[in-house]
Amino acid sequence: QVQLVESGGGVVQPGSSLRLSCVGSGFTFKKDALYWVRQAPGKGLEWVAVISGDGRTAYYADSVKGRFTIARDNSINTFYLEMSGLRVEDTAVFYCARTNYAAYPDWGQGTLVTVSS
Amino acid sequence: QSVLAQPPSVSGAPGQRVTISCTGTTSNIGGGYDVHWYRQLPGTAPKVVIYAITKRPSGVPDRFSGSRSGTSASLAITGLQAEDEADYYCQSYDSSLHGLVFGPGTKVTV
Repeated sequence: QVQLVESGGGVVQPGSSLRLSCVGSGFTFKKDALYWVRQAPGKGLEWVAVISGDGRTAYYADSVKGRFTIARDNSINTFYLEMSGLRVEDTAVFYCARTNYAAYPDWGQGTLVTVSS
Repeated sequence: QSVLAQPPSVSGAPGQRVTISCTGTTSNIGGGYDVHWYRQLPGTAPKVVIYAITKRPSGVPDRFSGSRSGTSASLAITGLQAEDEADYYCQSYDSSLHGLVFGPGTKVTV
């Protein structure tokens, strides 16, 4: 049974940094690309970043490029989202997700990040 | 601005059939990439109702079905029930963005 569990959310001030973590289990962690998706209050779902299975390749949404960094440590089945220069508009529930071709997409339950002064 | 287009709302009487369209481009839906459909209630995480265009997870009623044609996909709900009221999102992968793309969500009202 696949599980993805996020942690690290909280309340921070604008301009601050925060690191989210997502621990995966129930699948061969190092084989899969992994994603971060966010949802601002009352808004739709927005893809944030993706990292390849070996951690060598990453892509970002334009809204976070240059401020967020995705990384992974396959030795402990964990991947991360390092967020810096946080803005009020980054306030959202952040989900980690795994989706492969023709397979059921797995999501975590989400962690809330609130950016407020 | 979402990459995929969905109607903001659809409604139907109990027992009726409704469909939600999801329109993309050749770099996502039309490129042969999977389409997933999620149902979301306020304050909860999205839940998969259809994955890989047509597959239904265990526990999801067979009243839910999915299809794809060209650069569009659709979610159909037949025998509409009050419990089907929720927001529904479509999702695919985009080869130009190298990431996931979503529709803006459709509110289903019974």
